[in-house]
Amino acid sequence: AQKITQTQPGMFVQEKEAVTLDCTYDTSDQSYGLFWYKQPSSGEMIFLIYQGSYDEQNATEGRYSLNFQKARKSANLVISASQLGDSAMYFCAMREGEGANNLFFGTGTRLTVIP
Amino acid sequence: EPEVTQTPSHQVTQMGQEVILRCVPISNHLYFYWYRQILGQKVEFLVSFYNNEISEKSEIFDDQFSVERPDGSNFTLKIRSTKLEDSAMYFCASSEQDLWGQGAGGELFFGEGSRLTVL
Repeated sequence: AQKITQTQPGMFVQEKEAVTLDCTYDTSDQSYGLFWYKQPSSGEMIFLIYQGSYDEQNATEGRYSLNFQKARKSANLVISASQLGDSAMYFCAMREGEGANNLFFGTGTRLTVIP
Repeated sequence: EPEVTQTPSHQVTQMGQEVILRCVPISNHLYFYWYRQILGQKVEFLVSFYNNEISEKSEIFDDQFSVERPDGSNFTLKIRSTKLEDSAMYFCASSEQDLWGQGAGGELFFGEGSRLTVL
């Protein structure tokens, strides 16, 4: 089974609107962390937001928020007030297991912001 | 703002040749990583490196691969005898703490990648 599943290969959103990018994960560990990264056309991977499995509140970073539903094993990224510069690939990733120091990535979602 | 830099940005090589990809991590970071992304596929973990030794490696990181920190600044990935399936974008990353660090869980800072094409 895939550890991270992103079911939306591509998404479109109107500028200034909000958009939700889906991510579900699969783990039997109690302790894990969930990350979202942005990959613009230039290729680098930019960290956006992190949610720990024991965090009771949803993580927020500026216009980014993470809708963490632990029972459903989902960690959707919400981008509010979309900007043209938000057009990029977005990857959900997980580290699992106490002490593990590697990330499992999903296949990504390409977001296009329409003016 | 400090950044991870990688060279070369693109390398084309013949199958069976050795390739060395270079990375300069952020200077005060202690943990170093290599990931790869085959075109159109997900990013995959290769190896993590701490305190001058490999701390974790994936199944992909077989005997054809090696990593080294030859001096205080560079972190290299060597592929001894390249295969066609090694064609991918290789990302170097570094972090100040391990991924279980406080705050953002040990944020990884990625370089812009080195695209390797094996012919």
